[in-house]
Amino acid sequence: GESVGLHLPTLSVQEGDNSIINCAYSNSASDYFIWYKQESGKGPQFIIDIRSNMDKRQGQRVTVLLNKTVKHLSLQIAATQPGDSAVYFCAENMAGGTSYGKLTFGQGTILTVHP
Amino acid sequence: DAGVIQSPRHEVTEMGQEVTLRCKPISGHNSLFWYRQTMMRGLELLIYFNNNVPIDDSGMPEDRFSAKMPNASFSTLKIQPSEPRDSAVYFCASTLDATNEKLLFGSGTQLSVL
Repeated sequence: GESVGLHLPTLSVQEGDNSIINCAYSNSASDYFIWYKQESGKGPQFIIDIRSNMDKRQGQRVTVLLNKTVKHLSLQIAATQPGDSAVYFCAENMAGGTSYGKLTFGQGTILTVHP
Repeated sequence: DAGVIQSPRHEVTEMGQEVTLRCKPISGHNSLFWYRQTMMRGLELLIYFNNNVPIDDSGMPEDRFSAKMPNASFSTLKIQPSEPRDSAVYFCASTLDATNEKLLFGSGTQLSVL
């Protein structure tokens, strides 16, 4: 079946730099996308989401970009801090609004921020 | 808000034993989800409930797995008999209802089957 995948499994940045984490999806029917952050020993923590009728959404220090033409999703973190070090997952929903919690997750990208 | 509460945090058992994982969703949330996380397969949906009713259990690996939601504030995931390949982190998550976004996760149960 179709699945969400990530281009890079690891990303290392210096504190203060901007980070960009990428995600490719293959199901054109997906209409909702979400990014999670997972720290060691914890559950996935919601960061930001976006619906397919949008191409950009901003939160606090984070921006999600959606390019439906090439089926690409990215998470941008501004002024990355050591506390941002974690595994980041993208996820897609294909339930067409009937159940937004039914998600297909990508493999994850490990972000390491060096002081 | 206390968030999604799972117990136990860690469970170590021997092959063949019954294991029961517990979850309390966020108060007022009507949709509950069980996910499993392994290194090999990542995060996978096992089953979800809307208003205490199981809607989709296609992710449940086999008959050894069962899940119940007797009321709006409690759900269990049972494995009987357990096998070493069931070792994983099991997460419970909830949303306000089926048509609301922002799935919120608990801290998970780390299960080790020896």
